[in-house]
Amino acid sequence: DIQMTQSPSSVSASVGDRVIITCRASQGINNWLAWYQQKPGKAPTLLIYSASTLQSGVPSRFSGSGSGTDFTLTISSLQPEDFATYYCQQGNTFPYTFGQGTKVEIK
Amino acid sequence: QVQLQESGPGLVKPSETLSLTCTVSGGSIGSDYWNWIRQPPGKGLEWIGSIYYTGSTKYNPSLKSRVTISLDTSKNQFALTLTSVNAADTAVYYCAISAARPREIDYWGQGTLVTVSS
Repeated sequence: DIQMTQSPSSVSASVGDRVIITCRASQGINNWLAWYQQKPGKAPTLLIYSASTLQSGVPSRFSGSGSGTDFTLTISSLQPEDFATYYCQQGNTFPYTFGQGTKVEIK
Repeated sequence: QVQLQESGPGLVKPSETLSLTCTVSGGSIGSDYWNWIRQPPGKGLEWIGSIYYTGSTKYNPSLKSRVTISLDTSKNQFALTLTSVNAADTAVYYCAISAARPREIDYWGQGTLVTVSS
């Protein structure tokens, strides 16, 4: 299976801060990389697919970049509703696998 | 707006079979991938398997010998069966759809907690 490693595991930030989360795949995944947001007790929601394409309805403060094995999710100006856990997911090789998650907490 | 709802027992005894059903409303089973994903309490996400509208399936090798996913298009439902469960199978189970593209999830159910315990 392709291993997905996210860093950091958690980050404390304030409203208005820029937050960057990284995701590294154990092998190349041809940009088949998605990012999800999950709030406590809720299902994840899709933010970004194909490494950098914003899902319809997702605010433009979210952006994704990267290629090959290294990817980033950037929140340009953190809003109160963005405090959540974020997961990356590779869609290159089945079984599709997720990173362990990055929890964005209030500073 | 497509909505998914998982249903099934919340408690299953060790060595028995876990069975869940996902009912789709607000849309019909078309040329999509239908998936089951689980999340142990306080942990990350694991992709269990997928079924295409043709009935073709893909299973996570770590569970392949124990898992079956099936589709009932007449009822707009798909189902998960996991045999010989143990405590490590305790998790929130999500049904989910890959509608626009097959490699990520567009729609998720709310999830249902299944606890394996005697």
